[in-house]
Amino acid sequence: QKEVEQNSGPLSVPEGAIASLNCTYSDRVSQSFFWYRQYSGKSPELIMSIYSNGDKEDGRFTAQLNKASQYVSLLIRDSQPSDSATYLCAVHTGGFKTIFGAGTRLFVKA
Amino acid sequence: DGGITQSPKYLFRKEGQNVTLSCEQNLNHDAMYWYRQDPGQGLRLIYYSQIVNDFQKGDIAEGYSVSREKKESFPLTVTSAQKNPTAFYLCASRWGPGELFFGEGSRLTVL
Repeated sequence: QKEVEQNSGPLSVPEGAIASLNCTYSDRVSQSFFWYRQYSGKSPELIMSIYSNGDKEDGRFTAQLNKASQYVSLLIRDSQPSDSATYLCAVHTGGFKTIFGAGTRLFVKA
Repeated sequence: DGGITQSPKYLFRKEGQNVTLSCEQNLNHDAMYWYRQDPGQGLRLIYYSQIVNDFQKGDIAEGYSVSREKKESFPLTVTSAQKNPTAFYLCASRWGPGELFFGEGSRLTVL
């Protein structure tokens, strides 16, 4: 079992729709959870961080964390073509490592 | 401006050569990380360091070496023992359990 798992996609949504990205992790003592966006050839940039169970909203983005189910998700409302990128789920584990999932490619069709 | 500087941005290596990628940060972060990314893949952890003069192997440390003699610097050497080194290399730092701050990356190509 991989430490952090994501659907590789691609996920294709029409402009204005909600994009839903999911991630599961295996280390139960993980304490910090992050979503990064990465454009082709560029370094990742932070979209959201979440540390406790529940929802966290920032503009069009909502992160959801469920530690009991070891599950974290990212919702993107009113998706725009500029949101087309690879979204990386990252988990800061109890061993001081930050482990990334393989990423989900998102395409937003105009 | 505070941030992480990686150099060189592009690097070409002949078979059998060692190369060193530089990573410098002025964020006063204790922890620093090196990741490797292959096309269409996520980031895989090579080495990480929580404090000066201490570092740990990540998931794919074979063929790589690091040093952490100064808080600001965490260079990565790709040795000739790394059989498939062509990849995008990313250096990052963090404070506590917060997010990673990334450099712009170094793209290594083996000729």
